[in-house]
Amino acid sequence: AQSVTQLDSHVSVSEGTPVLLRCNYSSSYSPSLFWYVQHPNKGLQLLLKYTSAATLVKGINGFEAEFKKSETSFHLTKPSAHMSDAAEYFCVVTLPRGATNKLIFGTGTLLAVQP
Amino acid sequence: KAGVTQTPRYLIKTRGQQVTLSCSPISGHRSVSWYQQTPGQGLQFLFEYFSETQRNKGNFPGRFSGRQFSNSRSEMNVSTLELGDSALYLCASSLLPGLIGGDDYEQFFGPGTRLTVL
Repeated sequence: AQSVTQLDSHVSVSEGTPVLLRCNYSSSYSPSLFWYVQHPNKGLQLLLKYTSAATLVKGINGFEAEFKKSETSFHLTKPSAHMSDAAEYFCVVTLPRGATNKLIFGTGTLLAVQP
Repeated sequence: KAGVTQTPRYLIKTRGQQVTLSCSPISGHRSVSWYQQTPGQGLQFLFEYFSETQRNKGNFPGRFSGRQFSNSRSEMNVSTLELGDSALYLCASSLLPGLIGGDDYEQFFGPGTRLTVL
């Protein structure tokens, strides 16, 4: 079975400082992993995806994540936070290629960015 | 290209009633999935449709049902509403079923329908 654990429910950073949102996964197969962002009253937007190609994945808005199989982690980082980054972030796992569209979401991390 | 459209955006019902939510995928997308988002349970998968066929179903009671039409539009129905059904219901579409690898499989989410059950 697949699952993800987001280690922090809330993270607060100052504008211009680095962002780290932590995610650990569990999967019986080689997983596909994603990070989605949800702004208030908006739908979910895909930030980046790992699909067994490069382990360091670059996404939109300066975010990136590194797949570490030995640590079963897929942490999301950004070198410098912007006020517009304040949102809820979800780490997501799914089965390998073609199996299903079913996404399994983590519980989310609410990112606050202080001026 | 227009995004995923969900109607209505907000809905208030009372216990015991039934409700139908609608999702129009991005033009050309043939796969539609539904998710329920609540503060307590987070985001949970409801169903997945492709070519009018349900491919996968989440762990929800039979009161939750769905269907997909020949134009790929999808509806979900909840009968005999309970207070715990209050949630944001999200629809996602992708070009094809399955996942991974190119943009063909990326899922695009709509803004959701906020259902309140009183």
